[in-house]
This record gives sequence, structure tokens and C-alpha cells, in this order.
Amino acid sequence: SAVISQKPSRDICQRGTSLTIQCQVDSQVTMMFWYRQQPGQSLTLIATANQGSEATYESGFVIDKFPISRPNLTFSTLTVSNMSPEDSSIYLCSVENPRDRGYNEQFFGPGTRLTVL
Amino acid sequence: SQQGEEDPQALSIQEGENATMNCSYKTSINNLQWYRQNSGRGLVHLILIRSNEREKHSGRLRVTLDTSKKSSSLLITASRAADTASYFCAIVMNDYKLSFGAGTTVTVRA
Repeated sequence: SAVISQKPSRDICQRGTSLTIQCQVDSQVTMMFWYRQQPGQSLTLIATANQGSEATYESGFVIDKFPISRPNLTFSTLTVSNMSPEDSSIYLCSVENPRDRGYNEQFFGPGTRLTVL
Repeated sequence: SQQGEEDPQALSIQEGENATMNCSYKTSINNLQWYRQNSGRGLVHLILIRSNEREKHSGRLRVTLDTSKKSSSLLITASRAADTASYFCAIVMNDYKLSFGAGTTVTVRA
């Protein structure tokens, strides 16, 4: 398995500001994923972040709103820009199984609980 | 978009009883996975079943897959208070992406 940490674990932010969430993995992985989980809802994939290339965004998510960095094989950041109360969610990063790439399980970080006032 | 639909939305059972939840989907899949989430925290992978498999076991968990009906079930036997959580199915189609269902909230009463 992979051990994933996220910072911050939670934050309360003002409307119009931005927050950058960090995701650190204890092993090198090619693919990292960012998900959003709105209150009481399921997880929705925001984007896939591969090292050395631009992130690939899912329908309904754009780079200007959710810029992502992937500077190396163990780290990624997601920024939530120009926040509104509708951005209040849990944001989770995940990685593919580092020892068994392919259509396999993902390992998730503990999540960042964001509240926008 | 969510590809998996789960039922029931919520389930309350007595400790020691079995809990069963179902997941239905609409497309062809490579595999189907079940995850557990405790109190809005990170997800824990429970079990993966591939499209050519019909049943898998892991400890007190039993998963079935019926590709003709496009459905899967997760059975937790002899439930414990620690099994209280939300359970999500996720399908993998022809790429590496997980598409999650809406989830089933399970409460195990002591």
C-alpha cells in the first residue's frame, strides 16, 4: 500500500480567496488523482495529475478554478481558486497502487475538509 | 458523473447481523471495487472484483458480481460496531478512473 498525507486537514476560508491543498505520498507513483466530495455526496473526480505533463480535467472542472501542480513523483497540489460557499467540500487525493499499476485499487489520503464562508 | 447506483441509501442493523448492499451500473466494466469511508475521512479499499469473476471473499466480506445484470453486492457478515461507515462501489471501465456510486451508510447498533 501507499501512505498519503494531506495538508491542511481542514480550513475555513473567506469567499473570494484561494486555498492550496498539498498531497504527499511515501512512494513514487505515476498517477495521482484529485476528488471532490460535497456534503453528503459521493466522490467526483476533478482531475488526473501525471508528473511532467498537464493535468487532465474531467467535465465540469477547469484549470483556472482548480490549478494543479505535480512537480515530482511523490507530491501534488490542488488549488481551489476564487472560492465560493459552493466549494465547501472534502477534497481527497489518491494514487494508483505503486506496486501494481493498471486498473487496480487506489489509495486515498485522509482528505481536506474545506468550508467557505 | 456517477456510474454506480447503490441501495439502500442507509442501513441500520444490530451487532452480529449481516449487512447487504447492492450496486448497479450501466456500462461494461473492467472491474468493480468497494471502498469504506469512516466519518468523512479518506477511503479505504476493501475488495476488487474483475469482470470475469463472480465472487470474492476477504475476511468477513463477500462480494458478488453479475455482469449480465450489471450489478454487484457486498455482504458484511457478523457485523461489528467498527463496521459503521459509508460504503461506496466504484467501477472502472476502459481506463484507470474510478466512478463512484452514491454510497450506503451503514450503522451497526450495539
